[in-house]
Amino acid sequence: DMKVTQMPRYLIKRMGENVLLECGQDMSHETMYWYRQDPGLGLQLIYISYDVDSNSEGDIPKGYRVSRKKREHFSLILDSAKTNQTSVYFCASSFSRADTEVFFGKGTRLTVV
Amino acid sequence: GEQVEQLPSILRVQEGSSASINCTYENSASNYFPWYKQEPGENPKLIIDIRSNMERKQTQGLIVLLDKKAKRFSLHITDTQPGDSAMYFCAASARSGGNYKPTFGKGTSLVVHP
Repeated sequence: DMKVTQMPRYLIKRMGENVLLECGQDMSHETMYWYRQDPGLGLQLIYISYDVDSNSEGDIPKGYRVSRKKREHFSLILDSAKTNQTSVYFCASSFSRADTEVFFGKGTRLTVV
Repeated sequence: GEQVEQLPSILRVQEGSSASINCTYENSASNYFPWYKQEPGENPKLIIDIRSNMERKQTQGLIVLLDKKAKRFSLHITDTQPGDSAMYFCAASARSGGNYKPTFGKGTSLVVHP
C-alpha cells in the first residue's frame, strides 16, 4: 500500500524550542514536499526536495530548514519555534520530476505555545 | 513562479444540484492541472486532473474544463451528495529549470445540504 507517513501526528512545543517533523514514503518517489495549511490560506509550499541533498525553497521558507539524506525520508526542522508557526504541516511526495499526482501524508498538527 | 486564484472560497448547494469551482493561473507554461479533495481531518487526495493537451475530462460525476487562452480551469460536480462536502483545491504545475512545482489555490469549502 503506497503511502506517505508523518510522525508525530500531534505535537505541542513551547516557543523557542526546536521542532523536528519526520516524513517517510515507500514509493521511491524522487520529489518530496513540505506544506503548511492554515485556514483561508490553503496549502503553502515551504520546501521542495528533488532528490537526496537537492532541496529548494518554496514560497514560505523563512524559519524552516529541511534535510533529505535518504530518498525515502524528508525532515522539516524549526529552530526556535514561534507561535505563528502553529499550523498543520503536510509532507507529500510525487514520482520523478514530471507533472504527476502528489501524495500527501496525514499531516502533523503543531501547536507552539 | 505561479499564482493560482480559486473561487469561491465557500460554496453551499442543495443535494442533487451541481457545484462549480473556478481557478485561474498566470504562467502560460503550466501544463498540469490537478484537483484535490480534502475531507475534515484528512489529507488531500487527487480526484481528477487534466493536462494542457485536453480541454475537457470527465469521470464519475466530475467534469474538468481547461481554457488555455483564458488561463482558466474549472471543476464541476454533478448531482452533488452530502459525501461531496469537503475542501477542494485546484493546482497548476509548471516546469522551471527542469523541475515541476505545483502551486495550489487557497481552496473551496463545499457544503452540500440535504
